[in-house]
Amino acid sequence: SQQGEEDPQALSIQEGENATMNCSYKTSINNLQWYRQNSGRGLVHLILIRSNEREKHSGRLRVTLDTSKKSSSLLITASRAADTASYFCATDRQRTGANNLFFGTGTRLTVIP
Amino acid sequence: DSGVTQTPKHLITATGQRVTLRCSPRSGDLSVYWYQQSLDQGLQFLIQYYNGEERAKGNILERFSAQQFPDLHSELNLSSLELGDSALYFCASSVEGRGAPDTQYFGPGTRLTVL
Repeated sequence: SQQGEEDPQALSIQEGENATMNCSYKTSINNLQWYRQNSGRGLVHLILIRSNEREKHSGRLRVTLDTSKKSSSLLITASRAADTASYFCATDRQRTGANNLFFGTGTRLTVIP
Repeated sequence: DSGVTQTPKHLITATGQRVTLRCSPRSGDLSVYWYQQSLDQGLQFLIQYYNGEERAKGNILERFSAQQFPDLHSELNLSSLELGDSALYFCASSVEGRGAPDTQYFGPGTRLTVL
């Protein structure tokens, strides 16, 4: 079953603009990860943020986590056409001792050159 | 390239048949995970193996089974296939998989089409 929901479902922006995607989840977590998927291909890991972290940066990516609201956001700055892909948040479940991931429904990002 | 390999890339078969999907994890990774991605169900966790032992089970049908071999590669067996089993099947691997924050690296997937 899906753990989370991404919002918006689809986003279309011009190259150079910033893109923000949001993710909400249902249960307490140990960490949250963001993945990118180009059309019909494998998932590429972008960033992992632990439940005791509030913000993390990696290159043009900025991720925030609010465990009180059970939500996270992914910001991609200065977007490029190559950023066109689907973006998924994925969470584990706290205290299960297992690391399997629960994925959200994804945001389809289109960056127009 | 994540370092996780999956074969075959594409598989077309008929209802009622049985297929085997293969996954080789990244060198040094002990955990292997199987996920299914379909249009209606999204990305769903099926099963995890850690160093040859089953560790966690998700929404895996009884018609599906998996195993991890001593060399750590894994196979996912799908039997009595139905049209609804058509999906992308991903394998992922990670170093640990025992509760610590642990990045999972995904393979390119096997696209299964059941006709």
